[in-house]
Amino acid sequence: QVQLVQSGAEVKKPGASVKVSCKASGYTFTSYDINWVRQATGQGLEWMGWMNPNSGNTGYAQKFQGRVTMTRNTSISTAYMELSSLRSEDTAVYYCARVWELLDPFDYWGQGTLVTVSS
Amino acid sequence: QSVLTQPPSVSAAPGQKVTISCSGSSSNIGNNYVSWYQQLPGTAPKLLIYDNNKRPSGIPDRFSGSKSGTSATLGITGLQTGDEADYYCGTWDSSLRGVFGGGTKLTVL
Repeated sequence: QVQLVQSGAEVKKPGASVKVSCKASGYTFTSYDINWVRQATGQGLEWMGWMNPNSGNTGYAQKFQGRVTMTRNTSISTAYMELSSLRSEDTAVYYCARVWELLDPFDYWGQGTLVTVSS
Repeated sequence: QSVLTQPPSVSAAPGQKVTISCSGSSSNIGNNYVSWYQQLPGTAPKLLIYDNNKRPSGIPDRFSGSKSGTSATLGITGLQTGDEADYYCGTWDSSLRGVFGGGTKLTVL
């Protein structure tokens, strides 16, 4: 069965960086794009960007341009999202989600990773 | 401020029907398929409806979707207490960026 398993919760200080992983199983990793979506406590879903695991191509929401980097390691079917220059407003649950290709729905989601930014 | 507009909350009694609206523009809903996601408390979102009105395997036909112009609607019939959740609409914009609604909290009275 398709699974996206994310790394554990993180606590970071303002100005630091965080790198969240998303390990895929149950399907061919390079056949689906991986997107990242975040959700602050009590708030809605916010799309951050996408990555094509086959080519490594990426596309980011303008809000995160210059602060986010999405990468992958195809040998271990794992995608990564790194967010730098963290501030308190970045405290949220970060989800990875799979799509067949851009314009398609997010059909499988990871369990989420809580990132807390606090001094 | 979410790109797509949803009502913050809706409620109905068990067994009744409820609809949730999602309003966008020609640069998103007007030119792309709409999906709906159900988020039960403390869990990740789950795909409920895709391509405006299609249900993934395992989703009961009590859930339905429709789209007209720049708006979409999720319908749920035969409400159950287990349907209490947050519901989000989502689509893509003309710049290939994902967009979501602010979410609607469903309460089954």
